[in-house]
Formats: sequence, structure tokens, C-alpha cells
Amino acid sequence: AQTVTQSQPEMSVQEAETVTLSCTYDTSESNYYLFWYKQPPSRQMILVIRQEAYKQQNATENRFSVNFQKAAKSFSLKISDSQLGDTAMYFCAFMHENQGGKLIFGQGTELSVKP
Amino acid sequence: NAGVMQNPRHLVRRRGQEARLRCSPMKGHSHVYWYRQLPEEGLKFMVYLQKENIIDESGMPKERFSAEFPKEGPSILRIQQVVRGDSAAYFCASSPYSWNTEAFFGQGTRLTVV
Repeated sequence: AQTVTQSQPEMSVQEAETVTLSCTYDTSESNYYLFWYKQPPSRQMILVIRQEAYKQQNATENRFSVNFQKAAKSFSLKISDSQLGDTAMYFCAFMHENQGGKLIFGQGTELSVKP
Repeated sequence: NAGVMQNPRHLVRRRGQEARLRCSPMKGHSHVYWYRQLPEEGLKFMVYLQKENIIDESGMPKERFSAEFPKEGPSILRIQQVVRGDSAAYFCASSPYSWNTEAFFGQGTRLTVV
């Protein structure tokens, strides 16, 4: 069975600095998708970034980028130029290619951006 | 284009009552997914539905829980005879085809069982 592990329950960063959130996963499959979701206090789940496993190039979305290491089964999220609005829970998630919609989430990392 | 709409946002039920949670997908989306988030945990998949069909219910508890997505109207997650352990946030998401395309979450329904 697939599992997703986020080993950092809490992290903090100063505004404008860079922070990296860790995520590892376990699967025997070769075709899958990885996601990072943000959950602010409003509870809304917001997609931050997604990565297709068959793509070697790391995904980027403005200040957000990932370091995808397929052999190591690692999928970390880097937030550059952190902003106060980045304060939220961040969840890493895995989805097998043939199980559309069945995401497996990690336990989450609570990120605080300090002024 | 309105997002995924869930109602109510908050629901309080006494033990033994029924809870009905509604989810209206985004316009043009025919795939709906329900997830549950227990306190201090990540979301856990419950069920995946298309119009009038349950595609994958492998995450649904065997008893008291049911879900439907009728031809007309919202998707409904129904919990019969609620217990304190059902207290959680329940999220719905929708996508136009499969999740391989972009999917969007609603804001969730927080169910409290007293």
C-alpha cells in the first residue's frame, strides 16, 4: 500500500526567506502523480503544485518549486520569498495514475511565516 | 463560474441522529470525490462518484455511511446514527473528467456530534 510521510509537524520561517518542506512516499508503482496542497485557517484546500512522475523536470509555480527525486521517493516543496499569506498547513499527496481522485495524504506540516 | 459548493459549512448533530452533507460540483464537472479530515490529520479518501454511479467506495466505512450523486442535484454524503467519532471535516472535490485533469475542493462541512 502507498504511504506518504511528512516528517516535520511544524516549521517557521521569516518573511522573505526560503523554506523547504519535506515529503517522502512509498510505492511500487511507476506511474503516479504527486501534489502539494495548502490549507489556510479558512480550511479551503488549495492546490499549490503538482508533478507527474514520468516528468524529470521539477514543477514550478511562481515562488513554489519542488525537488522531485523519484529514485529516493522524495518530493520536497520549496517556498521562496515567503509571505505572511503562506502561513497554513501544507499537505503532500500521492495518487496512482489509474486511481483518479483517490489521493493519499501525508499528515501535514504547519508552516508559520513570521514578520 | 462558482467553485465547489458545500453546505452546510457547520453541522451539529446529537448522537443517533442522521447527518446529510451536500456538495454541488463546479459547472461542467461530472466527477465527485468525498474526503474526511479528522482533527490533526490529513484528508482520507472516502468515495468517488460519477453521475448515478459509485466508482470507488473503498474508503467508506462499511456501516452507517452512504453516498449518492443523482442525475439532477447535488451529491449527498449521508451518515446515519452518528457517533462522536464521526466528528470531522468532510470535503468534497470535483473534476470535469478524471482527477488527472485539475480538480477543485469545496470549503468543507465541519460535523460536530454532541
